[in-house]
Amino acid sequence: GAGVSQSPSNKVTEKGKDVELRCDPISGHTALYWYRQRLGQGLEFLIYFQGNSAPDKSGLPSDRFSAERTGESVSTLTIQRTQQEDSAVYLCASSLARQGYTEAFFGQGTRLTVV
Amino acid sequence: KQEVTQIPAALSVPEGENLVLNCSFTDSAIYNLQWFRQDPGKGLTSLLLIQSSQREQTSGRLNASLDKSSGRSTLYIAASQPGDSATYLCAPNFGNEKLTFGTGTRLTIIP
Repeated sequence: GAGVSQSPSNKVTEKGKDVELRCDPISGHTALYWYRQRLGQGLEFLIYFQGNSAPDKSGLPSDRFSAERTGESVSTLTIQRTQQEDSAVYLCASSLARQGYTEAFFGQGTRLTVV
Repeated sequence: KQEVTQIPAALSVPEGENLVLNCSFTDSAIYNLQWFRQDPGKGLTSLLLIQSSQREQTSGRLNASLDKSSGRSTLYIAASQPGDSATYLCAPNFGNEKLTFGTGTRLTIIP
């Protein structure tokens, strides 16, 4: 597709269950970002991947959160033992990120509700 | 800590008026700055990317300016329309490749 694609668009899960969120970046984009947006709040940085470099995980809120990306393709964000405070919209973005920074494009997000 | 502030938090204007949204940031050593809009329940749509070497960038009715020395950017919207109603977010890149977002300005255009 032409844009960043995220799936599922909505996810309702029970407290304590694990969830996996998926992001398909724009083809050729080397950089990929995950952000979290709680209701009525701003975007919180979670993790950044750039090519084959070690990811910047400085924004992950706890060890229940992890993310993977194989090369310059799909990324998955996994939340283990979900808690109610994990309820949020999880947004993924990608960019070319050549020689400095280029324009980032966002997906439509995954709305996660933990009940 | 690099902080981004957007003022006002909310703004309502009648259709047809011109308006300015403000963004200020604490670290003037930015690479560039991106403006986004976010519609309720949706992701972010990129509006403009302004590089650190630029002072202005225009796209249609939108004009973004950047003053690195004072740590400010403005987004000017001309001849506002109801379809412009959304939350507008600015995001400077402080060189660590992470976009740092302001809390946004919620804009309502009154028909």
